[in-house]
Amino acid sequence: NAGVTQTPKFQVLKTGQSMTLQCAQDMNHEYMSWYRQDPGMGLRLIHYSVGAGITDQGEVPNGYNVSRSTTEDFPLRLLSAAPSQTSVYFCASRPGATNTGELFFGEGSRLTVL
Amino acid sequence: DAKTTQPPSMDCAEGRAANLPCNHSTISGNEYVYWYRQIHSQGPQYIIHGLKNNETNEMASLIITEDRKSSTLILPHATLRDTAVYYCIVRVYSGNTGKLIFGQGTTLQVKP
Repeated sequence: NAGVTQTPKFQVLKTGQSMTLQCAQDMNHEYMSWYRQDPGMGLRLIHYSVGAGITDQGEVPNGYNVSRSTTEDFPLRLLSAAPSQTSVYFCASRPGATNTGELFFGEGSRLTVL
Repeated sequence: DAKTTQPPSMDCAEGRAANLPCNHSTISGNEYVYWYRQIHSQGPQYIIHGLKNNETNEMASLIITEDRKSSTLILPHATLRDTAVYYCIVRVYSGNTGKLIFGQGTTLQVKP
């Protein structure tokens, strides 16, 4: 059972480039989310989804787009990367939006924007 | 969602109990208290959660005060592998879109 899988694990971009961070889960979870974590800080919620076709903004959505065409996948798109988006990105999922159980996290994607 | 306050850092001797406090004085009646931890730069790991009653699992115990304005996570016999950042979070259960907002957490250093 793979759980939550993030790719790539490391990425270096130049300012203005675009890219997509991939997140996939094989647990049939309805709820998926993206967080970013900057050095010495906690996690901040970027976007989340409570099911296929449904997405919403978190605390820091600017500069990021998401879509949820399938239950399994929740990609995070950076349309025009900026140095301020240098961070570690974590994808997480839970069985349901109102489920009280644990949030399962991926291992992170480390992005550097030059 | 209610805001939480945690000390930025704590030390604990190996083999002793680690007691991590969390203040959530503005918590609402339908908000759960969650604890996660993050070891090095790995993805956060769920530890435990509760609403009103004290909870215990194989990892830790969660003690919630009667007025629910604060809680304590207890690691009964801390090991070096428990060195991590511990996050206390409150979250609404029903009528909510499932957001889990993390603060800055407490860095627990377990020392030999």
